[in-house]
Amino acid sequence: GENVEQHPSTLSVQEGDSAVIKCTYSDSASNYFPWYKQELGKGPQLIIDIRSNVGEKKDQRIAVTLNKTAKHFSLHITETQPEDSAVYFCAEGGSGYSTLTFGKGTMLLVSP
Amino acid sequence: NAGVTQTPKFQVLKTGQSMTLQCAQDMNHNSMYWYRQDPGMGLRLIYYSASEGTTDKGEVPNGYNVSRLNKREFSLRLESAAPSQTSVYFCASSLSEGNQPQHFGDGTRLSIL
Repeated sequence: GENVEQHPSTLSVQEGDSAVIKCTYSDSASNYFPWYKQELGKGPQLIIDIRSNVGEKKDQRIAVTLNKTAKHFSLHITETQPEDSAVYFCAEGGSGYSTLTFGKGTMLLVSP
Repeated sequence: NAGVTQTPKFQVLKTGQSMTLQCAQDMNHNSMYWYRQDPGMGLRLIYYSASEGTTDKGEVPNGYNVSRLNKREFSLRLESAAPSQTSVYFCASSLSEGNQPQHFGDGTRLSIL
């Protein structure tokens, strides 16, 4: 992977609303797209990932979608709760052995 | 299981001092990584070790050295600390090389005066 842009940098929603975070990448060989959640004072934790042979993946209130043609992937959180408040990072990895390249993060604040 | 353990959790150094950050994982993972996290910059890779006995530079290796002591342990050394190295340092591991989920420790918060 080379470069990944993540937007928005901050996102405020009301409890129960949906939240969407989008990332774009430049390397057409990228084939692995994880999302991490980082709570204050903790290390990032993987919450969901998707590979390039899949267009969408869901896990309860969390979903990730991938558009390979447009080179972007998005994290969708439905029915947000205050405990969803954290910094979220997207990342991408290329073909063969490669390391992950991370986006700069999105601070999500869910207000009760 | 403890997962990935980093020591120390906090450290304050003076410019020019040396320091080794320790990382150990108990998941029998082959690959290990060191990142630094600065405000607004996300996570940037310093060094990584695809497997025991190998190490490679990442995006920001200058001023750092690493040692893959054995399969479990991967240390990061600052030989002559500089204020620009003030950061939060994270160690991570993954099962194998390739695009695998990485598991992170809770970080070392390092301040250099």
